[in-house]
Amino acid sequence: AQTVTQSQPEMSVQEAETVTLSCTYDTSESDYYLFWYKQPPSRQMILVIRQEAYKQQNATENRFSVNFQKAAKSFSLKISDSQLGDAAMYFCAYRSAIGGTSYGKLTFGQGTILTVHP
Amino acid sequence: EAQVTQNPRYLITVTGKKLTVTCSQNMNHEYMSWYRQDPGLGLRQIYYSMNVEVTDKGDVPEGYKVSRKEKRNFPLILESPSPNQTSLYFCASSFGAGGPPLHFGNGTRLTVT
Repeated sequence: AQTVTQSQPEMSVQEAETVTLSCTYDTSESDYYLFWYKQPPSRQMILVIRQEAYKQQNATENRFSVNFQKAAKSFSLKISDSQLGDAAMYFCAYRSAIGGTSYGKLTFGQGTILTVHP
Repeated sequence: EAQVTQNPRYLITVTGKKLTVTCSQNMNHEYMSWYRQDPGLGLRQIYYSMNVEVTDKGDVPEGYKVSRKEKRNFPLILESPSPNQTSLYFCASSFGAGGPPLHFGNGTRLTVT
């Protein structure tokens, strides 16, 4: 079974600075997808970024980018120019691709609470 | 507006009283799933459904039931709720499993006393 680990329960950053949230995962599959979701205090789950495992290029969405290291099974999220609205719980998630042994299952990490200081 | 609708948002009940949390999506998604969120544990998958009449267990299915009689609806049923099922529950849907991102409902805060 796949596991996803977020080793940082809490992180903090100054407004306009850069912060990196860590995520590692364990799988025997070669094809899968990785996601970062944001959960603000409203508890809504918002997709931040998605990475296909077969793509070597790191995904980027505006101020959000990932560092995907497939061999190391690492998938960190970098937030540049942090804003007050970035304060939230962030979840890393793993999803099997078509044909994977766990196709249909979705595994989340424990979450990292990000605080942004003005 | 494309959305996943969960009801109720908040529910307080007593041990053993059967309850249903409804989930409906208007995006014609094949895939739907349920999760529970607990502090320090993140979200854990309860059940998922690849399509109508096709459901399968996630990582924590004990004490829950689901059904998928229509494409748009995927209710979560607790036949005999217990206090350890007190949690925040999310329903989500997507175009198939695998790559498509999930669309989440707004969550249901369940308290079982």
